[in-house]
Amino acid sequence: GAGVSQSPSNKVTEKGKDVELRCDPISGHTALYWYRQSLGQGLEFLIYFQGNSAPDKSGLPSDRFSAERTGGSVSTLTIQRTQQEDSAVYLCASSKTGEQPQHFGDGTRLSIL
Amino acid sequence: SQQGEEDPQALSIQEGENATMNCSYKTSINNLQWYRQNSGRGLVHLILIRSNEREKHSGRLRVTLDTSKKSSSLLITASRAADTASYFCATARFSGNTPLVFGKGTRLSVIA
Repeated sequence: GAGVSQSPSNKVTEKGKDVELRCDPISGHTALYWYRQSLGQGLEFLIYFQGNSAPDKSGLPSDRFSAERTGGSVSTLTIQRTQQEDSAVYLCASSKTGEQPQHFGDGTRLSIL
Repeated sequence: SQQGEEDPQALSIQEGENATMNCSYKTSINNLQWYRQNSGRGLVHLILIRSNEREKHSGRLRVTLDTSKKSSSLLITASRAADTASYFCATARFSGNTPLVFGKGTRLSVIA
């Protein structure tokens, strides 16, 4: 479809493992955002990419979290040495240059055992 | 960190009734947006109101914004069972592309 695509939709992994979450934004959208949605914290901003500019990483909760955006399109969020508190739904959104609103994918539900 | 709070946290109404949800925020904003989330799905944008606007309508939705009180309300008129979802307000401090700060949401149940 033409929406934001995220994969996998569900991921279960053991504590201490690394995980990679993928986001494929809407074609032509230059802005890409990652958010985390958890029961205790609601929706939290993690990181934001705008075109070729340096990303805004101000929301990343620890240095175990990192993200890349290759070729101005697909983005990968990596969590190293996962902890149980990382369990959450990770949502990706994209938008056109200079515009709100943001268009969201259905998220990746991450469960750390 | 959370910008603000929505209330109520949960709301249950009969089909055909109106639903009102409120949102408060803490800092100055450029615009405020409302999103809807069905269970297990992503967020869908409903409406955006800018800081220099006081009221906006879209179909059965009516949004108000009071910047002096740092609050907004979302009214859904003539609710339908299909309106059952969680509703979030989100604020943007700046215009253009900028991360959003979300409230914790109101869970609306519309009973047929």
